[in-house]
Order: sequence, then structure tokens, then C-alpha cells
Amino acid sequence: EAQVTQNPRYLITVTGKKLTVTCSQNMNHEYMSWYRQDPGLGLRQIYYSMNVEVTDKGDVPEGYKVSRKEKRNFPLILESPSPNQTSLYFCASTATGGRQPQHFGDGTRLSIL
Amino acid sequence: AQRVTQPEKLLSVFKGAPVELKCNYSYSGSPELFWYVQYSRQRLQLLLRHISRESIKGFTADLNKGETSFHLKKPFAQEEDSAMYYCALSRSSGNTGKLIFGQGTTLQVKP
Repeated sequence: EAQVTQNPRYLITVTGKKLTVTCSQNMNHEYMSWYRQDPGLGLRQIYYSMNVEVTDKGDVPEGYKVSRKEKRNFPLILESPSPNQTSLYFCASTATGGRQPQHFGDGTRLSIL
Repeated sequence: AQRVTQPEKLLSVFKGAPVELKCNYSYSGSPELFWYVQYSRQRLQLLLRHISRESIKGFTADLNKGETSFHLKKPFAQEEDSAMYYCALSRSSGNTGKLIFGQGTTLQVKP
């Protein structure tokens, strides 16, 4: 089954404690993205990747890092989380760029205390 | 600047009533436009895209380049249509896999 898998689904942690949210897709998609979803703001892109070792900033990259060492994986790293990063995060993948529909993961709800 | 605007945060209708969720965009080129739906506590799913001109679950959307709009319509709303709906835009050139989303509209269909 084609899918995008995120882990963990839920996480409560404290300010400053590094965390990583993993994302994996099994569709051999080149493009992967991370979004955060906040009430009244919709989804905003954090980072995206067009292929292995190719990443770039989206609209709200501050406080986040990503890596793309393998095509299927695109982890989101919060080196020093802060409360304003409390949000619902979605990973997405798509083939051949933005002109194709994106496949989304189930989301990761992060609470930073 | 590229922007997608969904002016209504909440749209509440009765079952069987027509529905129109508004979406306006700002983009100088030829955009690729999508509607995504998010049912309660579920992932976003593609509902439809303008290029395929199809009808999914009774919903349709027509791209109006003159008015820069891509409104989502359904003639008779069902309770199971209650969800969050997002309009999204993708650039037609210089593909980066980036989608620009509107703020979302919650559709509430009352029995």
C-alpha cells in the first residue's frame, strides 16, 4: 500500500530537548515536504526536498532542520524546541514536483512545554 | 506574491443545501490548483484538481482565470461532507514540490 509514515504520532516534550520526527514514503517519490498546521493559518511549508541531498527552506524554516540522505526518508529535526513550535506537523511526498497531488502522512502532534 | 485566500473560516449549511467554498488565488503564471479535504483526525486527502475537471463525491470546481478563483461546489450537501477543506496552489514552472495552502474552511453540514 502506498503511504507516507510519520513517527511519532504524538509527543509531549520540554523546551530545549532535541527531537526528531521521522517520515518515510514507499512510492519512490522525489519530492518531500514538511508542513505545520496551525489554527487560522492553514498549512505552511517548513522545508522541502527535491531529491537526495537536495533540500531548501519553505516559508517557516526557523528552528527546524532536515536531511535527505535516502530517497524514502525525510526526517524533521528540532534542535532546541520552543513552545511556539507546538503544532500539528505533516510530511508529504509527490512525484515529479508540485504538479502532481501530494500524499500526506497522518500527522504528528507536538507539544513543547 | 503567490497567495491563496479562503475568506470563510466556517461555513455551516443544512443537509441537502447547496455548498460553495470560496477560493481566490494570486499568481502571475498559470497555476495548478487543488482542493484537499481533511476529515476529523485524519490526514489530508486530495479531493480534486482543476486539470482533471472531474467530480469527486459530488464536488466540482472550475478554474476562473479572469476572477482568479477556484471555488468548490456541491449541489446537495451531505452530513459526511463535514470536514476542513483546503485550497492549494502549485506553480506551473520551476517545480519545487511546494504547495501554497489557503487558511482552510470548515464545512459543517447540519442534519
